[in-house]
Amino acid sequence: GNSVTQMEGPVTLSEEAFLTINCTYTATGYPSLFWYVQYPGEGLQLLLKATKADDKGSNKGFEATYRKETTSFHLEKGSVQVSDSAVYFCALSDGRRGGSNYKLTFGKGTLLTVNP
Amino acid sequence: NAGVMQNPRHLVRRRGQEARLRCSPMKGHSHVYWYRQLPEEGLKFMVYLQKENIIDESGMPKERFSAEFPKEGPSILRIQQVVRGDSAAYFCASSPPSVSNSPLHFGNGTRLTVT
Repeated sequence: GNSVTQMEGPVTLSEEAFLTINCTYTATGYPSLFWYVQYPGEGLQLLLKATKADDKGSNKGFEATYRKETTSFHLEKGSVQVSDSAVYFCALSDGRRGGSNYKLTFGKGTLLTVNP
Repeated sequence: NAGVMQNPRHLVRRRGQEARLRCSPMKGHSHVYWYRQLPEEGLKFMVYLQKENIIDESGMPKERFSAEFPKEGPSILRIQQVVRGDSAAYFCASSPPSVSNSPLHFGNGTRLTVT
């Protein structure tokens, strides 16, 4: 079955530091890949996505590239802010032919804390 | 433009009681999904519903859990005779009628605590 492995946290950085959160996956077919962010006390918000190999998703200064050869989708940001403190989830959809886009497989999440 | 609305935000139940969680999808969305987040775990799919129909319940526990999405009103996730292991955050998501390539929009979740 599908699975997602995320870098274990927590991750603590100073403001303006470079961020990388690793995500690797195993999947059948051609899944879409997602990063969701969960701010304290809130639900998940879609941060970015990529639907095919070599696509780069980007939003709010965050980027991730769909690497099929390494089955990875690492999240990066060049300069983090205190407001980026949240839990980040890597996820993928069912990539089989006729598979269900709604049945996402999530990683366990990585807690990021950014200090001023 | 309201997002996915879930209530209550927090719910405390004693063992053996029933829990009812409500979800109103975003305007224009007719597909509803329930996910559960156990402590220190990622979200796991439970069930997918359209109005008056359960489309996929492959992630639902076989006993005590049920879900509905009536013609009128919110979707309800019902847990009968709750046990401590049911303590989790339950998230509802919705999407528009054309599911392919539509990201799921999640609500803020209901945090259930069973004492």
